[in-house]
Amino acid sequence: DAGITQSPRYKITETGRQVTLMCHQTWSHSYMFWYRQDLGHGLRLIYYSAAADITDKGEVPDGYVVSRSKTENFPLTLESATRSQTSVYFCASSEDRDEETQYFGPGTRLLVL
Amino acid sequence: GDSVTQMEGPVTLSEEAFLTINCTYTATGYPSLFWYVQYPGEGLQLLLKATKADDKGSNKGFEATYRKETTSFHLEKGSVQVSDSAVYFCALSDLDDYKLSFGAGTTVTVRA
Repeated sequence: DAGITQSPRYKITETGRQVTLMCHQTWSHSYMFWYRQDLGHGLRLIYYSAAADITDKGEVPDGYVVSRSKTENFPLTLESATRSQTSVYFCASSEDRDEETQYFGPGTRLLVL
Repeated sequence: GDSVTQMEGPVTLSEEAFLTINCTYTATGYPSLFWYVQYPGEGLQLLLKATKADDKGSNKGFEATYRKETTSFHLEKGSVQVSDSAVYFCALSDLDDYKLSFGAGTTVTVRA
């Protein structure tokens, strides 16, 4: 199906482990974004990408790494997970002729023990 | 930097009641403004948007008007339904690189 998908939908890991969250979109949108959602904070931008091989930090990038070797994929890696990274993570993309409007994936719920 | 402040919830209403969620913003220039909705267990969906002052966005019975003089973008619906139960987020778009700044979200519960 066309759209934006995230995997896994749910993940439990332990402190110190590396975790990669996947995001895939079938629209060939140039812009892609990663957010985390925490109670009382709304959504906060972690990283974003304007095109393949172009990434930039958002509001809360520490402890995260991203890559964008292909337009359709934008994985987010937690290099050494911490309990404070327990959150719901959303990926989004925006189309080239209306970059302001973002389309969101269903989210990944991550629990770090 | 740009920021959005929206009314704290939770808000609980009866069906057919009037809903308003306040949203104010701080930004340099004239950003586009958005309302996104998140239904339980799902990602965010665009509800409506406005790109310039005095524009009114509308969708599914919801409306919001971009008020430059009061830096506000309040969301309203005249008669809510149980299916409107969700979390509503106000957001603005950075004009340079299309980043969105979100408010904290307002949880709305509509009871039959």
